Amino acid sequence: NAGVTQTPKFQVLKTGQSMTLQCAQDMNHEYMSWYRQDPGMGLRLIHYSVGAGITDQGEVPNGYNVSRSTTEDFPLRLLSAAPSQTSVYFCASSYSGEMNTEAFFGQGTRLTVV
Amino acid sequence: GENVEQHPSTLSVQEGDSAVIKCTYSDSASNYFPWYKQELGKRPQLIIDIRSNVGEKKDQRIAVTLNKTAKHFSLHITETQPEDSAVYFCAAIPNTGFQKLVFGTGTRLLVSP
Repeated sequence: NAGVTQTPKFQVLKTGQSMTLQCAQDMNHEYMSWYRQDPGMGLRLIHYSVGAGITDQGEVPNGYNVSRSTTEDFPLRLLSAAPSQTSVYFCASSYSGEMNTEAFFGQGTRLTVV
Repeated sequence: GENVEQHPSTLSVQEGDSAVIKCTYSDSASNYFPWYKQELGKRPQLIIDIRSNVGEKKDQRIAVTLNKTAKHFSLHITETQPEDSAVYFCAAIPNTGFQKLVFGTGTRLLVSP
């Protein structure tokens, strides 16, 4: 049971480049989400999904796209990278029962946009 | 929407002392309050959580208290050890059918031997 797996762990992009951050989970969780972590600001929700084919925006969605074609995978796409998107990105998944439960995080992707 | 404030931003204690981290939330509909620990360069991991129908929960040296009337909750760590050094995040979730975690800004705890 690998849990939540993110790739890559580190990435450097030039301004204007695009890329996809990968996230996969093997816990059969319906709920998946992407957060970004910036110094002094905690973690902020970018996009989330409540199941395959269903996605929605979080607190800071601009500049990012997501899709959810399978229960296991939830990739995050940066359309045209900007220095303001330099951050650490975490994917998370959780069980979709009646009561809120633990969110399991991936190991993170440290992205630098130059 | 929900807003979570967390204090202090840094906390230094001697090994064996207690540490208290406090959070306030704004949305009275929030009903789940997890605490995450993040070691340097690692992912956040849940250490304890509390639901709105409970006032206090303990797990060995860690406890969390919730005051729904005042809309604040606190993390208490007793007999601190150097391995407790990390950043701690509180969070709140309104009962919206999805875990839209709203995090506090974090507390960096340093436990000195």
